[in-house]
Amino acid sequence: DAKTTQPPSMDCAEGRAANLPCNHSTISGNEYVYWYRQIHSQGPQYIIHGLKNNETNEMASLIITEDRKSSTLILPHATLRDTAVYYCIVRANTDKLIFGTGTRLQVFP
Amino acid sequence: DGGITQSPKYLFRKEGQNVTLSCEQNLNHDAMYWYRQDPGQGLRLIYYSQIVNDFQKGDIAEGYSVSREKKESFPLTVTSAQKNPTAFYLCASSQGPSQPQHFGDGTRLSIL
Repeated sequence: DAKTTQPPSMDCAEGRAANLPCNHSTISGNEYVYWYRQIHSQGPQYIIHGLKNNETNEMASLIITEDRKSSTLILPHATLRDTAVYYCIVRANTDKLIFGTGTRLQVFP
Repeated sequence: DGGITQSPKYLFRKEGQNVTLSCEQNLNHDAMYWYRQDPGQGLRLIYYSQIVNDFQKGDIAEGYSVSREKKESFPLTVTSAQKNPTAFYLCASSQGPSQPQHFGDGTRLSIL
């Protein structure tokens, strides 16, 4: 079973920041937070992951609360190509990925 | 370019036939994975392999078989024992079990 809770859908205007929340209240100390996205009819794409500290890469930023019970993925300037299903996954280092149903992000012009 | 190649993109199977889906990677990754995705659902793990000549069952291995004779290849056979094989099949690889997984573009299997 997925260990995360995400809203089923969100909208975002093009050029604005998209903030995608994820709750993982039962996360263990050795579990990382991973984010993937899946554009229709393609394979999932790895975005970012983190343990405790906030992380940033060329695609997005990951903000993890101090108690690690929730996190937010931030796409700073959303484009139409960011329309996809976004999956938040918690996973210990050698565990398998468990994908839930994710958040369907619709970016509109 | 380095990546994961799945072929074919679309595959049709007659009832009672076995069919093999190809997955090749040139990323020099040790670990490889097969997932199944049904419409509106998340991914479910079928089989995974952390090293050549070794593989383990995932959550829904019944009706499927795999082999890992070469590091770069991890073919999946959907056997006639799989009663509901119509789905989107995704292959992934990673440098190791603790590293992010990178996915191919999938094979969509349909029953005629």
